[in-house]
Amino acid sequence: NFILTQPHSVSGSPGKTVTISCTRSSGSFGRSYVHWYQQRPGSSPVIVIYEDTQRASGVPDRFSGSIDSSSTSASLTISGLKTEDEADYYCQSDDGNSVVFGGGTRLTVL
Amino acid sequence: QVQLVASGGGVVQPGGSLRLSCAASRFSFSSYGFHWVRQAPGKGLEWLAFTRYDGTELYHADSVKGRFTISRDNSRSTLYLQMNSLRVEDTAVYYCAKDLRAQYIYYMDVWSKGTTVTVSS
Repeated sequence: NFILTQPHSVSGSPGKTVTISCTRSSGSFGRSYVHWYQQRPGSSPVIVIYEDTQRASGVPDRFSGSIDSSSTSASLTISGLKTEDEADYYCQSDDGNSVVFGGGTRLTVL
Repeated sequence: QVQLVASGGGVVQPGGSLRLSCAASRFSFSSYGFHWVRQAPGKGLEWLAFTRYDGTELYHADSVKGRFTISRDNSRSTLYLQMNSLRVEDTAVYYCAKDLRAQYIYYMDVWSKGTTVTVSS
């Protein structure tokens, strides 16, 4: 199995851009996708990015996902930060018969 | 609107059992795979289990294998999580979540509100 490592926290000012990384401990994403969830305080998670780069329905185009060329690290980038983006963000992948979540990143909009 | 309602949480003593339910409505329950995911207080998301659309393939996380069992009743549009030999560290908010796909793990496109399980003496 593998681990997904995310930074514990990131922060940015309104209007700025932040990037949250998700690094795979072994192997590459190659055959499995990375998906991203947003969880606001007191709420259930919501999918924001699926299949590495696809925005879920209703998600503004300020949110974008990417995978590096070696397929060992994924990123979620949020541009034009708004206070409503303040939340926890989790990356997720799988190995066929289990789901792996990253530890989560707390985004603070200062 | 697609809806999942998780229930069955409560306070239970260590070593006890609990069965969580997740009722689905407004979509074809039997066409999708489902997951259980939990979140301990102040912690991140932890995946627990997955069932294929027809219940013939079940996967469980190592942390709960042998103690928790996922199942489903397509005739009742309901997902279950049977939890036995509960430990204090099982205290968490439990979510059910619908997978986009029927047969294989992919991603969770619909989540329930959580149901809280507290294991304490």
